[in-house]
Amino acid sequence: GENVEQHPSTLSVQEGDSAVIKCTYSDSASNYFPWYKQELGKRPQLIIDIRSNVGEKKDQRIAVTLNKTAKHFSLHITETQPEDSAVYFCAAYNFNKFYFGSGTKLNVKP
Amino acid sequence: GAVVSQHPSWVICKSGTSVKIECRSLDFQATTMFWYRQFPKQSLMLMATSNEGSKATYEQGVEKDKFLINHASLTLSTLTVTSAHPEDSSFYICSARDRDRGVQETQYFGPGTRLLVL
Repeated sequence: GENVEQHPSTLSVQEGDSAVIKCTYSDSASNYFPWYKQELGKRPQLIIDIRSNVGEKKDQRIAVTLNKTAKHFSLHITETQPEDSAVYFCAAYNFNKFYFGSGTKLNVKP
Repeated sequence: GAVVSQHPSWVICKSGTSVKIECRSLDFQATTMFWYRQFPKQSLMLMATSNEGSKATYEQGVEKDKFLINHASLTLSTLTVTSAHPEDSSFYICSARDRDRGVQETQYFGPGTRLLVL
């Protein structure tokens, strides 16, 4: 089955700085890669996603890049704000299943 | 649109009792629902995939007799934790896929159910 690894497990940045979270996957059949933000005790919320036929996607301060050859994808958050503080999960999708990374706790210091 | 609800949001029960958790898609029809389990400060672990009108597909290591899943309609799936024990205490989250949306992979999460077994 698919194995998704996510780094770092914790990330602390100053407000206004950029944050980058990286994930790798093992199964080349994975073709959809969503990123979720989860606040404490709440449901994961989709913040951005990318499909395997696209190399990069951007939505305001958030961007995702995908390198299919290397089997890794990254989340980039620019101009971070305190409300960006949360746990972020990457996931890979194939054969009707989602496989999640271990999560990154992002702390944005004001 | 694409709202998923779960009930109850919180449940505390005694060891040995069974607990039923409902997952509903409120404004769309979901042919597929997923059940996840999340321990504190950990990732989401897929327990099973529930397809309307057929038996659920369980992940390796998940006891199907312990975690009964029923997906009787296009808007409702239930997870029953039978003879719950303290080690079953966890945050259970369902998600659903909208049958009629073009992007088939997108899943919408419910708010989760926190189970505490005493």
